[in-house]
Amino acid sequence: EIVLTQSPGTLSLSPGERATLSCRASQVINSAFLAWYQQKPGQSPRLLIYATSSRATGIPDRFSGSGSGPDFTLTISRLEPEDIAVYYCQQYGSSPRFTFGPGTKVEIK
Amino acid sequence: QVQLVESGGGLAKPGGSLRLSCEASGFIFGHYYMTWVRQAPGKGLEWVSYITSSSSYADYRDSVKGRFTISRDNVNSLFLQMDDLRADDTAVYYCARTAANGAHFDVWGRGTLVTVSS
Repeated sequence: EIVLTQSPGTLSLSPGERATLSCRASQVINSAFLAWYQQKPGQSPRLLIYATSSRATGIPDRFSGSGSGPDFTLTISRLEPEDIAVYYCQQYGSSPRFTFGPGTKVEIK
Repeated sequence: QVQLVESGGGLAKPGGSLRLSCEASGFIFGHYYMTWVRQAPGKGLEWVSYITSSSSYADYRDSVKGRFTISRDNVNSLFLQMDDLRADDTAVYYCARTAANGAHFDVWGRGTLVTVSS
């Protein structure tokens, strides 16, 4: 079973700052199968990034993804107040077919 | 617009059953794999089950195998039959569309809350 670890658990930044969120897999995974989601308080998750670095429809370009092998990164170039959310990475594999990381909570200072 | 709307959640006793539904609109339902993802109160996301577009194949996480059954019709609805419910099945259950490459979820519903308690 592939386990995803996300760090930090909580990220507290000021508006305009750069946010760097990490997702590490317990083994090498195909970069085509790594995605990121944003879940704002009281809302359902929303797809941000798929295939490591492709932005989903309607996602602002301040969100970007990168990485390979076991290490992946979601970057928010300039944090906006509406970016307050929990961010999850997710991979597609086998047994279980899909796994999510535990999430990183982004707060505004 | 593209939309998924879940229903059927509620309170069930341990060992009881519930049937969740998800109605899709705004896209050709029969072209997509579909998935159920759950989120226990205050916790993270957990994949539950998925089904192929033709219903030829379904997969489940180990903890629900033999208790949950995913199905779909040929029009616009996805279902999750949940039997022998346990307290740790308590969660918001989201219906999600699986993207064309089968590797992520590009449309999500608002979820339906399932509470298992005596």
